[in-house]
Amino acid sequence: AQKITQTQPGMFVQEKEAVTLDCTYDTSDQSYGLFWYKQPSSGEMIFLIYQGSYDEQNATEGRYSLNFQKARKSANLVISASQLGDSAMYFCAMREGERGYGGAQKLVFGQGTRLTINP
Amino acid sequence: GAVVSQHPSWVICKSGTSVKIECRSLDFQATTMFWYRQFPKQSLMLMATSNEGSKATYEQGVEKDKFLINHASLTLSTLTVTSAHPEDSSFYICNPTGGLIGKHEQYFGPGTRLTVT
Repeated sequence: AQKITQTQPGMFVQEKEAVTLDCTYDTSDQSYGLFWYKQPSSGEMIFLIYQGSYDEQNATEGRYSLNFQKARKSANLVISASQLGDSAMYFCAMREGERGYGGAQKLVFGQGTRLTINP
Repeated sequence: GAVVSQHPSWVICKSGTSVKIECRSLDFQATTMFWYRQFPKQSLMLMATSNEGSKATYEQGVEKDKFLINHASLTLSTLTVTSAHPEDSSFYICNPTGGLIGKHEQYFGPGTRLTVT
């Protein structure tokens, strides 16, 4: 069963506007982590932001913030003041089980959203 | 962030030949290596998981005899695509983990684009 859902295949935004990329997830675990990655045309996966299931505050990293609504099982990425260089694919991913000593869990990815920033 | 290298970055090979892809974690020790592949316009799908010194475990539908994984050291893992066919053309990405205790980032190699003609 699909565990990560990104419902927006593509989004077009004017430069300098804020944009929200949607992500919902499904898990029966109490402990999990949510990630957002940016994938430009080169293919590299660039880590943007992380939210742990027990984190009480929404994560922020520069222009990126994660709108974490646990009861709704959503983890939307908000990019403020978008730039032309933000044009890329964006993937939401989940890891079940928070990292601990000796632990390593796989990531499950959503289908991605292609973001295009227009000048 | 952590430094991960992958080689080659791209490769074109003829059908029936084998291709080896290397993944190195340059500044941390990776006790676990995940290998993903990504077909055009699709998401990343996990192929296999390997722990250093152990045999890899493969996801359903991934042929273990076709995709040979070696994880002999904490800084190097290899994926060999044997007897490659056009349907194996894909973007292969490694994800070394385990060495960043306490950190929540996960880092990926830059990927290898394989084209089988």
